[in-house]
Amino acid sequence: GAGVSQTPSNKVTEKGKYVELRCDPISGHTALYWYRQSLGQGPEFLIYFQGTGAADDSGLPNDRFFAVRPEGSVSTLKIQRTERGDSAVYLCASSLWGANTGELFFGEGSRLTVL
Amino acid sequence: AQRVTQPEKLLSVFKGAPVELKCNYSYSGSPELFWYVQYSRQRLQLLLRHISRESIKGFTADLNKGETSFHLKKPFAQEEDSAMYYCALHKAGGTSYGKLTFGQGTILTVHP
Repeated sequence: GAGVSQTPSNKVTEKGKYVELRCDPISGHTALYWYRQSLGQGPEFLIYFQGTGAADDSGLPNDRFFAVRPEGSVSTLKIQRTERGDSAVYLCASSLWGANTGELFFGEGSRLTVL
Repeated sequence: AQRVTQPEKLLSVFKGAPVELKCNYSYSGSPELFWYVQYSRQRLQLLLRHISRESIKGFTADLNKGETSFHLKKPFAQEEDSAMYYCALHKAGGTSYGKLTFGQGTILTVHP
């Protein structure tokens, strides 16, 4: 595709439920990032992958959050036992590894609402 | 830990007026600074980076290490500049590629 694709664009769930958010990066981009943007705030780093492995997951808030990228392309962010405080826009971005450091190509985001 | 501060949540100017969006950072090392922009109904995208020393859409930004600032400036604002602007910091070196620290953002509105 032409850009980073994220699905679903909107997700409404109930407290305690399990949620999966999907990201399809730009073809050929080996680095993939997840950010979370709460209302009125800038994006906050969660995790990034180089290939299949998580190179840095220091931004994951707790062990309810987990992300995978099994084949080095599509990534899934998984949130267990959702809480109201998890409500946010989850942004995915990709880039070429080692090139144009800091230039990330973002998706449109998945807006998660936990009732 | 590094921090990026954008003191203005909202900034309004008239078309043709100069505009300056402020960004201050705190980081003990050598940072790389960026401005990202999000236009209405569009995705977040890179506007410019300090290492390129470039002018994009008439915007420039100079890294001032003494004042730890990276203000974004444009001499004559246009209506199409209306957007949300984020300042972001990246720790140079190491393996933290793409791990950016963003400010809270400034909504710029350019009135006709």
